[in-house]
Amino acid sequence: QKEVEQDPGPLSVPEGAIVSLNCTYSNSAFQYFMWYRQYSRKGPELLMYTYSSGNKEDGRFTAQVDKSSKYISLFIRDSQPSDSATYLCSRGANNLFFGTGTRLTVIP
Amino acid sequence: DAGVTQSPTHLIKTRGQQVTLRCSPKSGHDTVSWYQQALGQGPQFIFQYYEEEERQRGNFPDRFSGHQFPNYSSELNVNALLLGDSALYLCASTFRAGELFFGEGSRLTVL
Repeated sequence: QKEVEQDPGPLSVPEGAIVSLNCTYSNSAFQYFMWYRQYSRKGPELLMYTYSSGNKEDGRFTAQVDKSSKYISLFIRDSQPSDSATYLCSRGANNLFFGTGTRLTVIP
Repeated sequence: DAGVTQSPTHLIKTRGQQVTLRCSPKSGHDTVSWYQQALGQGPQFIFQYYEEEERQRGNFPDRFSGHQFPNYSSELNVNALLLGDSALYLCASTFRAGELFFGEGSRLTVL
């Protein structure tokens, strides 16, 4: 079983839509969860992180962790074409375990 | 302030050859990690260097080795290249256990 499993997508939505990206993880000892965004031909950049359970909001982005179901989610409100990228969920501190990534395309 | 820089950006090798990839961490960072990202996959942790020593290692064979220099820069070496080693190799730096900053990667193609 992989440490982090992610819906592979790809996902295509119209501009302004609400996007939901999801991952599950296997080890209940995980505390730090992160979402990275990777544009084509670029390295990943940290978008948001959460510690333990609960929600964290940053502008149009909300990260959610449900430890009871081992579920990690990222919600994007009012999606923009500039949000088109691959989104990677991960867990860990020093060495990160990543999901496979979900490729998102927001159509103008 | 320069971020994480990697070189070369692209390279092509043949099976059995050896390759060295280089990474300069972000200013102020002392820890360097290397990741392999195959096409359509998430990055996989190779190893991490701190104080010129390998601190942690992922599930990669001994053909993958590295080094960290006193100025915190790092090299990743891969010997006896296989077709399956074709990937984007990402370097990430951090200060202690802080946020990881990634470079843009070195794309290796093995023919």
